[in-house]
Amino acid sequence: DVKVTQSSRYLVKRTGEKVFLECVQDMDHENMFWYRQDPGLGLRLIYFSYDVKMKEKGDIPEGYSVSREKKERFSLILESASTNQTSMYLCASTSVRSSKETQYFGPGTRLLVL
Amino acid sequence: GQSLEQPSEVTAVEGAIVQINCTYQTSGFYGLSWYQQHDGGAPTFLSYNALDGLEETGRFSSFLSRSDSYGYLLLQELQMKDSASYFCAALTDSWGKLQFGAGTQVVVTP
Repeated sequence: DVKVTQSSRYLVKRTGEKVFLECVQDMDHENMFWYRQDPGLGLRLIYFSYDVKMKEKGDIPEGYSVSREKKERFSLILESASTNQTSMYLCASTSVRSSKETQYFGPGTRLLVL
Repeated sequence: GQSLEQPSEVTAVEGAIVQINCTYQTSGFYGLSWYQQHDGGAPTFLSYNALDGLEETGRFSSFLSRSDSYGYLLLQELQMKDSASYFCAALTDSWGKLQFGAGTQVVVTP
């Protein structure tokens, strides 16, 4: 089974802090994605990566950056956390070699910024 | 812009049939996926339609009409465990990028 893990289930940070969210997948997937999920808005794409050291902006990249130094790991960085970044953050991965329409999600990190 | 529209909530009794409609407008379109998410859980893949027509997977079926930019997910013989949010998602490029709808909360009552 594909496994996608995220470093924390719950996180509380203060405004202005730098926040790192880590995601690791164990299926050698090329593509990895970061979403945020808010009630009534569904999943919105923040950033994605097609390969190591490659990154592309999604629909809402402002206030975020990412890092992909190794194929299995994709990090989301909040440079200076703000209260409007309080949300559920979901990481996902997919293989372009097989079923790219199937994304495998991690359990999510619920972030509260005070 | 890109958008996927689906109802916000549907309520039905155990054993009933529920249809969740999804209309889409995207700049690129390769197919329509459906995901299920239970409260507190991660979204999990249910089905994918690349071509027009009906795909059946057990009690769940999914349909796509590219000419109408429309699809639906059909849940049959509803069970309490089917209470969850269901998202339609358009595959918008060849690399696997998905555009999600806002989700439909399905509430199954005894």
